[in-house]
Amino acid sequence: AQKVTQAQTEISVVEKEDVTLDCVYETRDTTYYLFWYKQPPSGELVFLIRRNSFDEQNEISGRYSWNFQKSTSSFNFTITASQVVDSAVYFCALSEARTGGFKTIFGAGTRLFVKA
Amino acid sequence: DAGVTQSPTHLIKTRGQQVTLRCSPKSGHDTVSWYQQALGQGPQFIFQYYEEEERQRGNFPDRFSGHQFPNYSSELNVNALLLGDSALYLCASSSRQSLAGDTQYFGPGTRLTVL
Repeated sequence: AQKVTQAQTEISVVEKEDVTLDCVYETRDTTYYLFWYKQPPSGELVFLIRRNSFDEQNEISGRYSWNFQKSTSSFNFTITASQVVDSAVYFCALSEARTGGFKTIFGAGTRLFVKA
Repeated sequence: DAGVTQSPTHLIKTRGQQVTLRCSPKSGHDTVSWYQQALGQGPQFIFQYYEEEERQRGNFPDRFSGHQFPNYSSELNVNALLLGDSALYLCASSSRQSLAGDTQYFGPGTRLTVL
């Protein structure tokens, strides 16, 4: 069965600190996709990254980086030198192909507070 | 490039009533998925439409139904509203034709309050 666990409910950091958001997933499929989304106070989910199960290469995009480890079923997200604008709820999601389409399950989210 | 749009932004209904929410997908997208997000929780998958048919469904009762039109826009209908249906309803679109066919782009949501 699909499951996504984001054990950190809330994280509070001071601006310029690095912060890592954890994500652990469960799936029986060999082909699946992992995502991170950001939800600012406005409510709209913003796509950050997509990773497929065959690509364990880490990715860096500016201050954001992602560490995908199949051995531990984790897909962690690190923000380097955090800024106040990074304050939001971050969701990790798992997508699996199904007949006729796909199904996506989201974690409960981690609320990040970045203080000036 | 127009993103995903949803209407209305906010809606207040009373128990037992029916509601219809609307979604227009991002330009070039042909698949629409609907999610319910209760306060403090992650989005929960309701169903997915492609080629005007429901292709996938989450664990939601039959009170939740939908439709997709030839122009790919979609509606979510909820009958016999319950207090527990109060939530942010999110629409997401994706393109079956793209290499990342399951990458979804979300609209701003419709905040439904049931009194």
